[in-house]
Amino acid sequence: GQQVMQIPQYQHVQEGEDFTTYCNSSTTLSNIQWYKQRPGGHPVFLIQLVKSGEVKKQKRLTFQFGEAKKNSSLHITATQTTDVGTYFCAGPQQGAQKLVFGQGTRLTINP
Amino acid sequence: NAGVTQTPKFQVLKTGQSMTLQCAQDMNHEYMSWYRQDPGMGLRLIHYSVGAGITDQGEVPNGYNVSRSTTEDFPLRLLSAAPSQTSVYFCASSPGTGSNQPQHFGDGTRLSIL
Repeated sequence: GQQVMQIPQYQHVQEGEDFTTYCNSSTTLSNIQWYKQRPGGHPVFLIQLVKSGEVKKQKRLTFQFGEAKKNSSLHITATQTTDVGTYFCAGPQQGAQKLVFGQGTRLTINP
Repeated sequence: NAGVTQTPKFQVLKTGQSMTLQCAQDMNHEYMSWYRQDPGMGLRLIHYSVGAGITDQGEVPNGYNVSRSTTEDFPLRLLSAAPSQTSVYFCASSPGTGSNQPQHFGDGTRLSIL
C-alpha cells in the first residue's frame, strides 16, 4: 500500500539553528498536509500544498511540494523553544478517502 | 466553539473488557476518523466515515468497531481489549470528503490495557 516516509525521526538542535524535515511518498499525491503536535497535545493543522513545486511560508516556516508531487519538506529558520514538538506530513491515499500520515519528526531544542 | 470532543481523556482496562471511546463534533463536518498513535509509528488510521450511515476500514481496523448514526457522533468500540491496544486514540473531523481537507483533532484518549 501507499507509504509516506519522514526523515529524520528525531532532531535535536540548539536554539537559533535551522531545522528541516523531509517527507516522501511512494505514490504521487494530490496534496500534502503538514501538522504540528506539541508534547502531550493533539496534532494541529499547519498548511496544505496542492500545486507541483509550490512553496508557502508562515513566518519562519517554509513548506515545499516537489515537482513530481511525491515529496515535501518543512524548513524552520532560527528555531525557537516554541517550535518544540513533532511534525507530521500526511497525504491522501490514491483511490480512497484516507489520509496517510508519516511517522513524524520529533524536534527538541536546547535553549 | 467546542470543535472535536473526546471522552474519556484517560482509561485503564483489563484484558478482555470492552469499552466505547466517544467522539463528537459540532462543526457539521461530514468526514470523521479515528487514529491511534504509538511511539515511532505516527498516526495510523483505524476507521473512517464520510457521512452518517457510512463507515469504512483504515490501516488497522482489527479489534475495533465503529458506527455513524448521526453527523455529530462517531464512537469507537473496543470489543475485547488486548494489551496491544494500549495507545493514544485521536478522533478527527473535516468538511467535505476528508482526505483533501484539513483535519481537526480532538484532545485524545490515553488508553492502557493491563
